[in-house]
Amino acid sequence: TQLLEQSPQFLSIQEGENLTVYCNSSSVFSSLQWYRQEPGEGPVLLVTVVTGGEVKKLKRLTFQFGDARKDSSLHITAAQPGDTGLYLCAGAKHGQNFVFGPGTRLSVLP
Amino acid sequence: GAVVSQHPSWVICKSGTSVKIECRSLDFQATTMFWYRQFPKQSLMLMATSNEGSKATYEQGVEKDKFLINHASLTLSTLTVTSAHPEDSSFYICSARQGAGWSEAFFGQGTRLTVV
Repeated sequence: TQLLEQSPQFLSIQEGENLTVYCNSSSVFSSLQWYRQEPGEGPVLLVTVVTGGEVKKLKRLTFQFGDARKDSSLHITAAQPGDTGLYLCAGAKHGQNFVFGPGTRLSVLP
Repeated sequence: GAVVSQHPSWVICKSGTSVKIECRSLDFQATTMFWYRQFPKQSLMLMATSNEGSKATYEQGVEKDKFLINHASLTLSTLTVTSAHPEDSSFYICSARQGAGWSEAFFGQGTRLTVV
């Protein structure tokens, strides 16, 4: 059983479209991170959120941590082909290591 | 961000041989290093956590005698896959963390292991 669920599993959209991917759990996390991984590379950290209800923006990416700190969303505005990749969320309970979700594979077509 | 380097980036080995993968933190001292395994189109699965100078803590189901981890210094950890078999073929990724708890961990670029 996955501690973290991510949806959708796969997403293929046209350049310029907006999208939201979700990370959900029945557990409460002290900290949650989002990563992007390109084929054959290690994951690259995009953001860390620690406060319930927190919203962080990174250019066209908006991250939100749920009020109850059980879920998170990543919204991309005007997606570009360079956004293509595997988006992973990872959550950590207090004093424990991060656990990764299964990921959302995004493909942005030109 | 800090740089973590893995070597080699890819390796092909014969079944029954052993392969060593290195993970180095280039510009910081890593108190903790993590080793992950990732199968095609799947997420990262934590294999073990190692702290400098102490034995690694392995996740359930990971054979410690098969996946030997050494973290002899604050900048280097190694993973040795012993007596490799085709089912060990995978993408192995390390990450390194300077502090404790929530401090950021930086990932290496991964090592693609193919056992033939």
